[in-house]
Amino acid sequence: QVQLVQSGAEVKKPGASVKVSCKGSGYSFRNYAIQWVRQAPGQGLEWLGWIYAANGNTIYSRDLQGRIAITRDTSANIVYLEMSSLKSADTAVYYCARKHVARTYLDYWGQGTLVTVSS
Amino acid sequence: QSVLTQPPSVSGAPGQTVTISCTGSTSNIGAGYDVHWYQQLPGSVPKVVIYDNTHRPSGVPDRFSGSKSATSASLVITGLQAEDEADYYCHSFDSSLSGVIFGGGTKVTVL
Repeated sequence: QVQLVQSGAEVKKPGASVKVSCKGSGYSFRNYAIQWVRQAPGQGLEWLGWIYAANGNTIYSRDLQGRIAITRDTSANIVYLEMSSLKSADTAVYYCARKHVARTYLDYWGQGTLVTVSS
Repeated sequence: QSVLTQPPSVSGAPGQTVTISCTGSTSNIGAGYDVHWYQQLPGSVPKVVIYDNTHRPSGVPDRFSGSKSATSASLVITGLQAEDEADYYCHSFDSSLSGVIFGGGTKVTVL
């Protein structure tokens, strides 16, 4: 069965960087795009960016461009989200989600990774 | 402020019908981009309940339906049940932003 398993919770200080991983299994990793979405405590969903696993092409949210990087390791079926210059406003649950192969909706989600930014 | 506007909350008694609107513009819904709807139960991961404006994934009850017109879309829950109490988000693409967009979310309360 399709699974996206994310790395564990992180606590970071303001100004630091964080790297969250998302390992896919149960499907052909290269055939899909993975998107990252975050949710601050008590808030809605915010799209961060996506990567096409086949060629590594990425698209980022304009609000975060310059502070985030999404990469992938096709040999291990893992996608990474790295975010730099962290602020307290970046405290959120970060989700990876798979885009359906032929449509634009997100059909499978990771369990989420809580990133806490606090001094 | 979200590019897609949803009411913060709607409520209804069991068995009633509730409608959640998602209002966009000519650079997203009005440009022809598909709208999808996700349900997020308390403490859970979002799950798609409607994709491509009107389609229901297998396993989603047929009391969930979607529609799209001009620059807006709607999610309708007919015969509301207690287990439908959740947050609902619409999702589309915006050509001006060159990126994916979500509505701000609507909390559905079953009275």
